Amino acid sequence: GAVVSQHPSRVICKSGTSVKIECRSLDFQATTMFWYRQFPKKSLMLMATSNEGSKATYEQGVEKDKFLINHASLTLSTLTVTSAHPEDSSFYICSARDRGRTVTQYFGPGTRLLVL
Amino acid sequence: AQSVTQPDIHITVSEGASLELRCNYSYGATPYLFWYVQSPGQGLQLLLKYFSGDTLVQGIKGFEAEFKRSQSSFNLRKPSVHWSDAAEYFCAVGVPSGGSYIPTFGRGTSLIVHP
Repeated sequence: GAVVSQHPSRVICKSGTSVKIECRSLDFQATTMFWYRQFPKKSLMLMATSNEGSKATYEQGVEKDKFLINHASLTLSTLTVTSAHPEDSSFYICSARDRGRTVTQYFGPGTRLLVL
Repeated sequence: AQSVTQPDIHITVSEGASLELRCNYSYGATPYLFWYVQSPGQGLQLLLKYFSGDTLVQGIKGFEAEFKRSQSSFNLRKPSVHWSDAAEYFCAVGVPSGGSYIPTFGRGTSLIVHP
């Protein structure tokens, strides 16, 4: 089956620094990738949808200057948390939609971010 | 906008017992329906999905789900639970749009399995 990877799986950073999380589709081309945030014991909250080669579409309430998303190729999307603060600590999950199978989404294993 | 409700926050079952996790959705037509499982600290794994056709859907790991239009439900079932099934389960709905969709997730149901 289709595989989506995320790197790093876990990151600890100091408050005020920026953190980049990568999401890769390993064996398929993903025209659309999604970024989710998951709080403990909570559901997934869609942050933004990114389409290859165009600007990401952010959900209401998500700061686009805070969470920078780049989808430069059909296999890579990045989420950069800029000037991270402790309240940004969370589990971030990406998913990718197969270009050839537009309905099915494949999820990455997630990235645990802890901001001190 | 579509929404999905998982009324049970926690479900506790004994190993070997049957399982049913509830999911109800709100949408004017038939959406795409999904069940995902998430083990602690992990991403989501697709268990099964319903797009159209047969309302009883078979998935991986012995799970099945039945779409009931009259009840706007898509409950997940398993006849005999294994200890390894302990995890968080998410129901998701997606509204079809131009051959694609954006899913909305329920809040999840935590499954606890007693030996």
